[in-house]
Amino acid sequence: GQSLEQPSEVTAVEGAIVQINCTYQTSGFYGLSWYQQHDGGAPTFLSYNALDGLEETGRFSSFLSRSDSYGYLLLQELQMKDSASYFCAVLDSWGKFQFGAGTQVVVTP
Amino acid sequence: DGGITQSPKYLFRKEGQNVTLSCEQNLNHDAMYWYRQDPGQGLRLIYYSQIVNDFQKGDIAEGYSVSREKKESFPLTVTSAQKNPTAFYLCATTNAQVKGNQPQHFGDGTRLSIL
Repeated sequence: GQSLEQPSEVTAVEGAIVQINCTYQTSGFYGLSWYQQHDGGAPTFLSYNALDGLEETGRFSSFLSRSDSYGYLLLQELQMKDSASYFCAVLDSWGKFQFGAGTQVVVTP
Repeated sequence: DGGITQSPKYLFRKEGQNVTLSCEQNLNHDAMYWYRQDPGQGLRLIYYSQIVNDFQKGDIAEGYSVSREKKESFPLTVTSAQKNPTAFYLCATTNAQVKGNQPQHFGDGTRLSIL
């Protein structure tokens, strides 16, 4: 089966850097995605890693180590609008996505 | 505009009643998914379909049924066998023909409550 672990909550001040870790156990691993969800809204796609290394998209970066079954999402220059839940999701080779329980990021002034 | 349309936005179910949630997409994506989200929780996969006339159970399929008669449509029926249906239901699609960067696109969701 599949399982993903990520911290339940992270609090940081505006302008800071936050790293959200995600460890996973899965068979047929294909890639790791990250999604942002604001309260009451639908998840929106942030990034995807299929190969080891760092992917950078503006203030957000995502990292993957396949050998360690580990990835992280890095949020830089935090803004108040970044307060949201962040989910990692594993894609397996059968096209099935498995989501983590989510990390609530709280940004304070 | 291309996108995913879920309807209704809010739905109320009486005891013993089946209800159907609609999901329509015009993204020409092959794969469609249904997730359930409970307050403060992650997304749990109910059913998914990679191609028309074929679908697979996810992790919490009991009490739910789906059909995929058209590429654009993937309706979810919450049956009376689902004893705790109150949740936020999300439909998503993926372009399964693309290998590599495959984001899931989500609809705006349907909130289902018990009367």
